[in-house]
Amino acid sequence: GQSLEQPSEVTAVEGAIVQINCTYQTSGFYGLSWYQQHDGGAPTFLSYNALDGLEETGRFSSFLSRSDSYGYLLLQELQMKDSASYFCAVTPPTGQLTFGSGTQLTVLP
Amino acid sequence: EPEVTQTPSHQVTQMGQEVILRCVPISNHLYFYWYRQILGQKVEFLVSFYNNEISEKSEIFDDQFSVERPDGSNFTLKIRSTKLEDSAMYFCASSRDRGNTGELFFGEGSRLTVL
Repeated sequence: GQSLEQPSEVTAVEGAIVQINCTYQTSGFYGLSWYQQHDGGAPTFLSYNALDGLEETGRFSSFLSRSDSYGYLLLQELQMKDSASYFCAVTPPTGQLTFGSGTQLTVLP
Repeated sequence: EPEVTQTPSHQVTQMGQEVILRCVPISNHLYFYWYRQILGQKVEFLVSFYNNEISEKSEIFDDQFSVERPDGSNFTLKIRSTKLEDSAMYFCASSRDRGNTGELFFGEGSRLTVL
């Protein structure tokens, strides 16, 4: 099976940088994804790491270390609209995502 | 931009009633999924569907649940006899490949309230 751990809440101010960590245990693994969810709406794909290292997509970056079963999402130049829940998710060889419990990010002015 | 659409957006039903939630995946996608999210909790996998059959299902997806692709565009989730604990947001998702890019496209969800 799969299990993922991420902090339940993170708070930061506008313009700051925040890192959301995710550790996972899985019996099979393609990669680690990150999703954003606003107010219980549709989860929206942010990034995916299949290989170790950093992937950058605009203000968002994601990192993976397979040997440590660890990844993080880095959000730079925080904006108020970034206030949302962020989920890490593992992709096993069977394809379906298994999500972590989510991190509620609050961005303060 | 193509998107996954779901209907209804909200359904209220009595315990024991049957419910069908409908989804239209993105047209060139081949893999389809149902997830659910109980209020304030994580998104949980229910079932995946490919080539007109179930590929994987979770422990949640018991005999009360079924999925169907009745035509070339719709993908449905049926709950035969709803229970109070079935109250949740149900998300449909689709992908072009088998998830090895980590990207699923989710619909806006159908909120099911069982009274």
